[in-house]
Amino acid sequence: QVQLVESGGGLVKPGGSLRLSCTASGFDFSDSFMSWIRQAPGKGLELISYISESGSTIYHADPVKGRFSISRDNTKNSLFLDMNSLRAEDTAVYFCVRPADSSFDFWGQGTLLTVSS
Amino acid sequence: EVVMTQSPLSLPVTLGQPASISCRSSQSLLHSTGNTYLSWYHQRPGQSPRRLISKVSKRDSGVPDRFSGSGAGTDFTLRISRVEAEDVGIYYCMQGTHWPALTFGEGTKVEIK
Repeated sequence: QVQLVESGGGLVKPGGSLRLSCTASGFDFSDSFMSWIRQAPGKGLELISYISESGSTIYHADPVKGRFSISRDNTKNSLFLDMNSLRAEDTAVYFCVRPADSSFDFWGQGTLLTVSS
Repeated sequence: EVVMTQSPLSLPVTLGQPASISCRSSQSLLHSTGNTYLSWYHQRPGQSPRRLISKVSKRDSGVPDRFSGSGAGTDFTLRISRVEAEDVGIYYCMQGTHWPALTFGEGTKVEIK
């Protein structure tokens, strides 16, 4: 069955950096777009990044553009999110999610990022 | 960016009774392919969201048939024919027509009266 397992969350000071990882299994990772969606505490869902199968197409939402970078390693079935210049408003649970047919069919359990001094 | 507006934002429901959630988009979600990419998600407390419905009305495998989706253009509805206790949580609609900025509604919290 499809599994998406995120890791790398934690407590970071404002201005700091962190890398999130997602390991995928149960499907052909190299044939799938992948994305990161976040959810701030008590708030709704926000798509922040996605990447095409080969990595040739990348999108970052305006709130994270220039600070976050999505990448993937198809040889390791892994998705990454490099986050720099972190702000308090980046505090959220970050979900690794598989897009399918212009929606999101499988979600990881999420990893919590807290940005605080 | 397409704005998705859900109503109500809070929905107290009685077990066994029907419930419905409205979702409106600021632009038509009819894609040039002829498909309409509107999907619905359910998030139970402490869990990840789960897709219920894609392309307006296509239920995912394992989703009970008491859930149904309908609508076209800019107006969409999720209906639960008879609410069960496991249906509590937050429901989100999402548009997948206007790339790259796919957007979610604010969420509707369903709770048992």
